[in-house]
Amino acid sequence: GAVVSQHPSWVICKSGTSVKIECRSLDFQATTMFWYRQFPKQSLMLMATSNEGSKATYEQGVEKDKFLINHASLTLSTLTVTSAHPEDSSFYICSATKGQGAYEQYFGPGTRLTVT
Amino acid sequence: GEDVEQSLFLSVREGDSSVINCTYTDSSSTYLYWYKQEPGAGLQLLTYIFSNMDMKQDQRLTVLLNKKDKHLSLRIADTQTGDSAIYFCAESLNSGYSTLTFGKGTMLLVSP
Repeated sequence: GAVVSQHPSWVICKSGTSVKIECRSLDFQATTMFWYRQFPKQSLMLMATSNEGSKATYEQGVEKDKFLINHASLTLSTLTVTSAHPEDSSFYICSATKGQGAYEQYFGPGTRLTVT
Repeated sequence: GEDVEQSLFLSVREGDSSVINCTYTDSSSTYLYWYKQEPGAGLQLLTYIFSNMDMKQDQRLTVLLNKKDKHLSLRIADTQTGDSAIYFCAESLNSGYSTLTFGKGTMLLVSP
């Protein structure tokens, strides 16, 4: 199998605080993990590509100081939303690659972030 | 640039066939994918097709690719209420872990 988990599944936080979201590949080692953001009734927008042991590559328009990504091991990547604001409220989805093929990219169940 | 377009909504009756269409602009696309997303959940890869193929069938799912027109379709035979979900078309440019470009998704509603 190829299972990717995310924790928490949903979180509510106050404006100005930071929130950490974890993405784990449970039964395989993932050299690359991706973080996506999805607004209601919208497509997934890639935020960043994370390779184990190196700095994440951010897509244009994504603030790397606001969305901190750490990929410390082959099974764990974290996304920290710093100084969250209501406009950061969204559905955050991670994916992990099992191999070189994009068809081997497995998605987590997503984390719903609501900033009040 | 890359752009993937899909119709936003499709409604069918249980037992009918559903056809979800997608068009893409990048002729360099190597793989094309169909994902299913149920409410509040992540994406589930349904099937994918390599760009040198015209058709791929997997149980109730049939993918047709018209590379000349850059048109991809997903046919679901004998559609069930459990098939109600959002279906995303996506493309990648090569077989490496290149980024996926997604369409906005087609909401499929299956009524009894």
